[in-house]
Amino acid sequence: EDQVTQSPEALRLQEGESSSLNCSYTVSGLRGLFWYRQDPGKGPEFLFTLYSAGEEKEKERLKATLTKKESFLHITAPKPEDSATYLCAVQASGTYKYIFGTGTRLKVLA
Amino acid sequence: NAGVMQNPRHLVRRRGQEARLRCSPMKGHSHVYWYRQLPEEGLKFMVYLQKENIIDESGMPKERFSAEFPKEGPSILRIQQVVRGDSAAYFCASSPNGNTEAFFGQGTRLTVV
Repeated sequence: EDQVTQSPEALRLQEGESSSLNCSYTVSGLRGLFWYRQDPGKGPEFLFTLYSAGEEKEKERLKATLTKKESFLHITAPKPEDSATYLCAVQASGTYKYIFGTGTRLKVLA
Repeated sequence: NAGVMQNPRHLVRRRGQEARLRCSPMKGHSHVYWYRQLPEEGLKFMVYLQKENIIDESGMPKERFSAEFPKEGPSILRIQQVVRGDSAAYFCASSPNGNTEAFFGQGTRLTVV
């Protein structure tokens, strides 16, 4: 069965303290891996798409990487406004649905 | 370019009533997904539709739930005879082709009293 596991469940960082979030996946052929950010009471906001192992994408303080079994979302020198839940999703070959992990709740303290 | 529009944002229904949730995809997008999110839980896939076709409804409960995406107008998620366990946030997402990222709306929060 296709599944996505994210760790840690929650993470507290001081402003400027860099860290990484993990997304491990098991799929029968990967079509794509997606990172989203979700603020309380809002819908998920798209961040990145990764399609193949070795691929990297960057946006401001965020950088996403992909291997054959997992993806990392690296946060460099985070700010309080980076506080949110970060969601990882995969789309398996031959299907169109996105399978989501339960997310990492990030809190960045000033 | 407007994003995915969902309405209503909040909906309160008494047990046994019907709930209708609407979703207008982004301009140029013909693929729509519905997801359900319970507090402190992840997003659970319900159904995937293209214009006038249900492609994958493997996550949809067999009874009381239905979805449509007509040729004209928004996609509709319909829940008949609601029960307290249907209380959740329902999110719609759209994609231009089903093979790339999907963009989400702000959700409809359904409360059954």
